[in-house]
Amino acid sequence: QKEVEQDPGPLSVPEGAIVSLNCTYSNSAFQYFMWYRQYSRKGPELLMYTYSSGNKEDGRFTAQVDKSSKYISLFIRDSQPSDSATYLCAMSGAGGTSYGKLTFGQGTILTVHP
Amino acid sequence: DVKVTQSSRYLVKRTGEKVFLECVQDMDHENMFWYRQDPGLGLRLIYFSYDVKMKEKGDIPEGYSVSREKKERFSLILESASTNQTSMYLCASTLGLNQPQHFGDGTRLSIL
Repeated sequence: QKEVEQDPGPLSVPEGAIVSLNCTYSNSAFQYFMWYRQYSRKGPELLMYTYSSGNKEDGRFTAQVDKSSKYISLFIRDSQPSDSATYLCAMSGAGGTSYGKLTFGQGTILTVHP
Repeated sequence: DVKVTQSSRYLVKRTGEKVFLECVQDMDHENMFWYRQDPGLGLRLIYFSYDVKMKEKGDIPEGYSVSREKKERFSLILESASTNQTSMYLCASTLGLNQPQHFGDGTRLSIL
């Protein structure tokens, strides 16, 4: 079983929809949680960065972390065609073997059609 | 803005060749990383370096080595390229180990 599981999709939604992207993980040492967006033929770019449990909002994007369930989510409100990309969750621990080393999900391919 | 530059976007090499992938960052970051990205497998860590001349194995170091002679430059070396090393290679850097990593645009490497 992989340490981080992410539904690869693909996910196709109409413009304006609310998108929910999710990851589950098994390593209870993970403390830092990130979401990256990757456009075709480009490197991943950081969207959201959170520490421990809770919510974080940035414009149309909201990241949620539920450490008790080992579950993280990214919500995109009022989705736009420019949001079409692959979304990667990533996480790392505060110590031990997972310190400073990101473990990624497989990525979810999202298409927002006009 | 942090800039991580990978020297080649596309590279085609033959089996058995020694291949060098170069990465340069311009933000004086201590830590640099090499990943490969394959469909269905996500990003997997090959090697990382937390200081000049220091290196640590990641999850899949077999068949690879690295070099970090200067703080801004981190090289990935395929000692004897094989077809199963055909992949997208991504370099990243970060100031602190639990800070977000900044990625280059990748090198798509094909081994024939």
